[in-house]
Amino acid sequence: ETGVTQSPTHLIKTRGQQVTLRCSSQSGHNTVSWYQQALGQGPQFIFQYYREEENGRGNFPPRFSGLQFPNYSSELNVNALELDDSALYLCASSLAAVSTDTQYFGPGTRLTVL
Amino acid sequence: GESVGLHLPTLSVQEGDNSIINCAYSNSASDYFIWYKQESGKGPQFIIDIRSNMDKRQGQRVTVLLNKTVKHLSLQIAATQPGDSAVYFCAERDDGQAGTALIFGKGTTLSVSS
Repeated sequence: ETGVTQSPTHLIKTRGQQVTLRCSSQSGHNTVSWYQQALGQGPQFIFQYYREEENGRGNFPPRFSGLQFPNYSSELNVNALELDDSALYLCASSLAAVSTDTQYFGPGTRLTVL
Repeated sequence: GESVGLHLPTLSVQEGDNSIINCAYSNSASDYFIWYKQESGKGPQFIIDIRSNMDKRQGQRVTVLLNKTVKHLSLQIAATQPGDSAVYFCAERDDGQAGTALIFGKGTTLSVSS
């Protein structure tokens, strides 16, 4: 069974640029959630996708957007990057969008905005 | 909004000791809680979870206790090992959020010396 994978591992961008981060969910999981983790903080929920539809969104501006594909992999897109967007971006997959389904996290993508 | 916090940012123990990591939550309506372990450079790793209809749940070397009266959660690690050194987060399901978003606290860094 393959775990959650994310790419790239690290990324450096400049302010105003756009970035796309990718996530492959664990085998058999149809739900992907994205989190932002600033240095020294706990992860913060960005949004969740269930069967290719957005299924909940945290307190993040519209320049944070996402997609989920038929194979349940997912992308996180961030437009007009700001310095404060520098963080570890985590995706987590779960079996279904059920409250007690365990969310399994990938290793994250470290984004640095200069 | 509601938040989950931890009592101590750091905890240092000797190898073989028992460790107790505490967490206070503020949403009395929360019905599901999870503990995650995050090692440096990795994503959070699921340790154990508990539903609000339970007071205690045991896993391998770990026990989670839930006190709904005072809205307190704790993680007990028996016979702590150097490999247990990591940041520990408690998280609660955000029942006010569509989907299955998790709210994380800031984390407790556990350091185990041999």
